[in-house]
Amino acid sequence: AQSVTQLGSHVSVSEGALVLLRCNYSSSVPPYLFWYVQYPNQGLQLLLKYTSAATLVKGINGFEAEFKKSETSFHLTKPSAHMSDAAEYFCAVSVTGSARQLTFGSGTQLTVLP
Amino acid sequence: GAGVSQSPRYKVAKRGQDVALRCDPISGHVSLFWYQQALGQGPEFLTYFQNEAQLDKSGLPSDRFFAERPEGSVSTLKIQRTQQEDSAVYLCASSLKRQLNTEAFFGQGTRLTVV
Repeated sequence: AQSVTQLGSHVSVSEGALVLLRCNYSSSVPPYLFWYVQYPNQGLQLLLKYTSAATLVKGINGFEAEFKKSETSFHLTKPSAHMSDAAEYFCAVSVTGSARQLTFGSGTQLTVLP
Repeated sequence: GAGVSQSPRYKVAKRGQDVALRCDPISGHVSLFWYQQALGQGPEFLTYFQNEAQLDKSGLPSDRFFAERPEGSVSTLKIQRTQQEDSAVYLCASSLKRQLNTEAFFGQGTRLTVV
């Protein structure tokens, strides 16, 4: 069985501040981990994914995430928030990497304050 | 088109009415997935097609839900006798290959409201 917990359904940061969105996972086997972003009235867009090649994963739009097995975490960060980063972010886990077995967290709404 | 296209974008149905939601995947994509996203929740898997074959329908919540992809391209998700708990955004995704660990591209979704 696999599951994902996203801590904080809403996060607000000031423009230029660090973005930190938390994700903890549970998986019985080494997982594939993903972060997706959903802008208003848009579909899900893949930000980045972890596939065991490297623990620090760089994605699009300046985001990155670090896989920490000891903490079962895959937190998403960005050094400096931009107004355009305001969106909902979903962490997801899969034991196979296939979208067929993706289990999503409940999402974190990021607000960027001017 | 360049991406996954879903129609209609919004659908309001009266309780008990049947609805059909359409998904046009990216041309040439072998795999197609349907997800249901309730308000304030993450998407949940409904069903999966590889070409025209429905290989997994374990996520369909009841026998009122039916999906098809007869020619291995366009897919339709049908919900019969809609109930209020069916209100959600229905997302379609497609991916190029059969292989695992292949990125899936999501459509904008259809927001279904049952009144």
